[in-house]
Amino acid sequence: GAVVSQHPSWVICKSGTSVKIECRSLDFQATTMFWYRQFPKQSLMLMATSNEGSKATYEQGVEKDKFLINHASLTLSTLTVTSAHPEDSSFYICSAPRLVGANEQFFGPGTRLTVL
Amino acid sequence: KNEVEQSPQNLTAQEGEFITINCSYSVGISALHWLQQHPGGGIVSLFMLSSGKKKHGRLIATINIQEKHSSLHITASHPRDSAVYICAVIRGGADGLTFGKGTHLIIQP
Repeated sequence: GAVVSQHPSWVICKSGTSVKIECRSLDFQATTMFWYRQFPKQSLMLMATSNEGSKATYEQGVEKDKFLINHASLTLSTLTVTSAHPEDSSFYICSAPRLVGANEQFFGPGTRLTVL
Repeated sequence: KNEVEQSPQNLTAQEGEFITINCSYSVGISALHWLQQHPGGGIVSLFMLSSGKKKHGRLIATINIQEKHSSLHITASHPRDSAVYICAVIRGGADGLTFGKGTHLIIQP
């Protein structure tokens, strides 16, 4: 199967700082990547769709100015949590289809963010 | 009402038992995923279905498109099967996944 990596796997930061999370497709090119988050004991929720070379599409209720997404290459999408607050503490995970428009998704290992 | 409903939410069984987890959805889909999430959070894709049935080792997944229902079965369950099992649907190839709340499975030795 295809491999998707995320970095870092966990991060602890102070309130008010910004945190960048990287999602990389290691053995395929991904024109689309998806970002999800999971609060403790809750289900995963789609945050946004990252599109290479164009603006990301955000789900309702997700602040695009707070969660900046950049998909500058076919193998890398970044999610930056700006001015992080404790309520942003969550598990962030990305996925990507190997082929454009394919249903099969490959998941990164996730990033656990804790904001103090 | 959630678009994807799973049952049961929690399931504890003895080693060797046959396990069934159910998933119902209310929207049109192009495919359904069964995922496994371990305590560290990492997600493993078990199956992707758009029709019929798939089998991989002790795991079997079925889907009935007309009834908007899917089941995940585990035969001869083992403690290492303990995890959260998540049903997720995709409406179209350009869409992200919509997830169920997951089933927390514990297999006791």
